[in-house]
Amino acid sequence: QSVLTQPPSASGTPGQRVTTSCSGSSSNIGSNTVNWYQHLPGTAPTLLIYDNNQRPSGVPDRFSGSKSGTSASLAISGLQSEDEADYYCAAWDDTLNGYVFGTGTKVTVL
Amino acid sequence: QVQLVQSGAEVKKPGASVRVSCKPSGYNFIGFYLHWVRQAPGQGLEWMSWINPHSGVTNFARKFQGRVTMTTDTSISTAYMELTSLRSDDTAVYFCARGVCSTSCYVDYWGQGTLVTVSS
Repeated sequence: QSVLTQPPSASGTPGQRVTTSCSGSSSNIGSNTVNWYQHLPGTAPTLLIYDNNQRPSGVPDRFSGSKSGTSASLAISGLQSEDEADYYCAAWDDTLNGYVFGTGTKVTVL
Repeated sequence: QVQLVQSGAEVKKPGASVRVSCKPSGYNFIGFYLHWVRQAPGQGLEWMSWINPHSGVTNFARKFQGRVTMTTDTSISTAYMELTSLRSDDTAVYFCARGVCSTSCYVDYWGQGTLVTVSS
């Protein structure tokens, strides 16, 4: 049971810019920073964005994040074939005292 | 570098229990929380629980309370997650992940995942 809501799919052609959203509540996104993960089938998720808009070392600057109120978004610019994956938002939830994930967005490169 | 290595795949019958281990390396084991996350087939990521290896304090998502036990053995820097009364819908890949806190808390490094199959 995901607490954060994401659109199930997004797509674009190589080179395009693709965005996906993440909607939460005051106890999670409204109170804490948002993080994004890239997940390829059969592998472990990898941290893509932390603290709303920070990229871990090694993550291309094509990936960017933003947050406003109880919503957040992830943008992928200059879309590449290797970006085809599932993307999950996540945030700490103060009420649950735990970590909550979004429903996930499957990004397809056409 | 930071790595989390989990135990191998398990096949269990309904009603049985399973224990998955997670052995981090590359950082101070007791300095970071450990989280457990699962992904059922065709489903998204689902947070289960966290443990503070230093104090042993734990917290669980409500749906797992009473069925999940998390422990650590600091002498060998290993964490364990035990899930009891297994049901078919517990079939999933179970991940351990390191928790960090900066502005807020989040997970950064993940184990490779352990497939648990529950089938009669």
